[in-house]
Amino acid sequence: KAGVTQTPRYLIKTRGQQVTLSCSPISGHRSVSWYQQTPGQGLQFLFEYFSETQRNKGNFPGRFSGRQFSNSRSEMNVSTLELGDSALYLCASSLRGGLEITKMNTGELFFGEGSRLTVL
Amino acid sequence: EDKVVQSPLSLVVHEGDTVTLNCSYEVTNFRSLLWYKQEKKAPTFLFMLTSSGIEKKSGRLSSILDKKELFSILNITATQTGDSAVYLCAGGDSGYALNFGKGTSLLVTP
Repeated sequence: KAGVTQTPRYLIKTRGQQVTLSCSPISGHRSVSWYQQTPGQGLQFLFEYFSETQRNKGNFPGRFSGRQFSNSRSEMNVSTLELGDSALYLCASSLRGGLEITKMNTGELFFGEGSRLTVL
Repeated sequence: EDKVVQSPLSLVVHEGDTVTLNCSYEVTNFRSLLWYKQEKKAPTFLFMLTSSGIEKKSGRLSSILDKKELFSILNITATQTGDSAVYLCAGGDSGYALNFGKGTSLLVTP
């Protein structure tokens, strides 16, 4: 079955612009999480969605927002881009989130290949 | 504040060597410790550890969790050049976020 799909894979923006990134989870997965990866800070949690509801949010400014649609696809938006927002943005999906282990779910997250954002 | 620390940050070994990667964690409402391998873009899942003292194995890789000492190790025996990657450790809490360490960059030379 298809993995987690993120679009676009690469994009370049200038300071002050805004950007929207898209994530399609594995079919049947209802939990989508977003992470920012930079060389200095590593992978940092942005937010997690389940059934169109944000269940958890990381320590990022309000310029970072997201949403999830009824088909579980998710988008994240960054407004008023800053140079420091340059990063790899990774989306991850899981069946239900929350590291639950069931017969159908071993609890891990499945990551997409990411969207590489460069802010000039 | 939750914290996951990995050591060493980088490591260079020769093919055939055995390596041990370390991960210490301080995660409120800790539930599980996960290991991922990241070669180019998407991290790929290796292990999830929930119970202390129970080793998980997959081929040449194995991992164990010590919940008393808040510590986990990932062992790779008979390393191959294909094992070259960044290995990420993450602590999961009762919420829906993973707290990642900064990773150990492993380079296996022929």
